[in-house]
Amino acid sequence: KAGVTQTPRYLIKTRGQQVTLSCSPISGHRSVSWYQQTPGQGLQFLFEYFSETQRNKGNFPGRFSGRQFSNSRSEMNVSTLELGDSALYLCASSYSDFEQFFGPGTRLTVL
Amino acid sequence: GENVEQHPSTLSVQEGDSAVIKCTYSDSASNYFPWYKQELGKGPQLIIDIRSNVGEKKDQRIAVTLNKTAKHFSLHITETQPEDSAVYFCAAQRSNDYKLSFGAGTTVTVRA
Repeated sequence: KAGVTQTPRYLIKTRGQQVTLSCSPISGHRSVSWYQQTPGQGLQFLFEYFSETQRNKGNFPGRFSGRQFSNSRSEMNVSTLELGDSALYLCASSYSDFEQFFGPGTRLTVL
Repeated sequence: GENVEQHPSTLSVQEGDSAVIKCTYSDSASNYFPWYKQELGKGPQLIIDIRSNVGEKKDQRIAVTLNKTAKHFSLHITETQPEDSAVYFCAAQRSNDYKLSFGAGTTVTVRA
């Protein structure tokens, strides 16, 4: 079974721009979660979707948003990018409400 | 919210020795505790997990123990090998919360 895939793997943007990241979950997994990983803050939860509904959201500003499609694929969007948004963005999928399997991440650099 | 503390932040062991990483959590409602291994340039890989109705779980050279009363859980790696070198993260989750709260990570180096 293929793992979680994320595209693109690397992205360079400038301040003020917006970005959309994509995640395809493991086949059969209906839950998709997003996390931000930085050296200073570690791994922080952004949001989780199940059957196109957001079930939980972390403490991030409204510039961070996401959605899930009927095929369980998910996207996250960051608008008005700031330097501090530079991070590894990780997507995880789950079949149950517990075991989460992570993708390789998208490395976002904001200049 | 949940606060997970992880110690030590770095750990260097001789090949063949054991490694132990400890985590504490604050929310008594947490009932699921996974451990992840992250290698350079990769996403975290789930290596073992434990639920609050179990005190210990073992999978080959890896074991996890949970003390609900003290709110701490530990990862034990026996007979360490160079390929065990990575960053390890503990995490905690409550039912119906759908989010993992992570520890800060432990960088494990296995010396040959």
